[in-house]
Amino acid sequence: DQQVKQNSPSLSVQEGRISILNCDYTNSMFDYFLWYKKYPAEGPTFLISISSIKDKNEDGRFTVFLNKSAKHLSLHIVPSQPGDSAVYFCAASRLQGGKLIFGQGTELSVKP
Amino acid sequence: GAVVSQHPSWVICKSGTSVKIECRSLDFQATTMFWYRQFPKQSLMLMATSNEGSKATYEQGVEKDKFLINHASLTLSTLTVTSAHPEDSSFYICSAPHTSPLTAEAFFGQGTRLTVV
Repeated sequence: DQQVKQNSPSLSVQEGRISILNCDYTNSMFDYFLWYKKYPAEGPTFLISISSIKDKNEDGRFTVFLNKSAKHLSLHIVPSQPGDSAVYFCAASRLQGGKLIFGQGTELSVKP
Repeated sequence: GAVVSQHPSWVICKSGTSVKIECRSLDFQATTMFWYRQFPKQSLMLMATSNEGSKATYEQGVEKDKFLINHASLTLSTLTVTSAHPEDSSFYICSAPHTSPLTAEAFFGQGTRLTVV
């Protein structure tokens, strides 16, 4: 039972344009949602998070949008840079400090 | 910022032997840590929750006698893969939650690449 789903395994974007990564979840008990960036053979690096009481959180070039009714969140990166090329995982948790349930990941490639 | 250190970063072992992986929180205390494994091109799958001073909680389908977890102090959790077999070859990652109640962020170790030959 995949509670967190990232249906796009890959995304290719031109440098300077917007990257939009999507994530869907099925468990309405999730209260916290996070995005992590990961390179092969390394641990994930935290990017941005959002709690269920909000619908938007922004940090520099990164913005996360949450649509609770649709059980959908997205990560916007603008402008995209070649250094953003990596695998992006969304994750969800029921509790602060609780276990994270990860999606399958989306590999982002930003072309110069 | 807070750092979680994992050791070793890679290990090769023979079938039938046991391998221990350490996860340390370097500048904060972690009463709870989490262990994940990742197969190539796949998601990070939660294996177990490591609880300081008590037994670990394992996810469904994870053999607790195979993957021994010990959380002996507030800064150290260990995962021992016992009687390892080639199918145990994977990337193992630990994490510890942020200590601030204002965030759900978790800090991750660098991961351990285990290859069983």
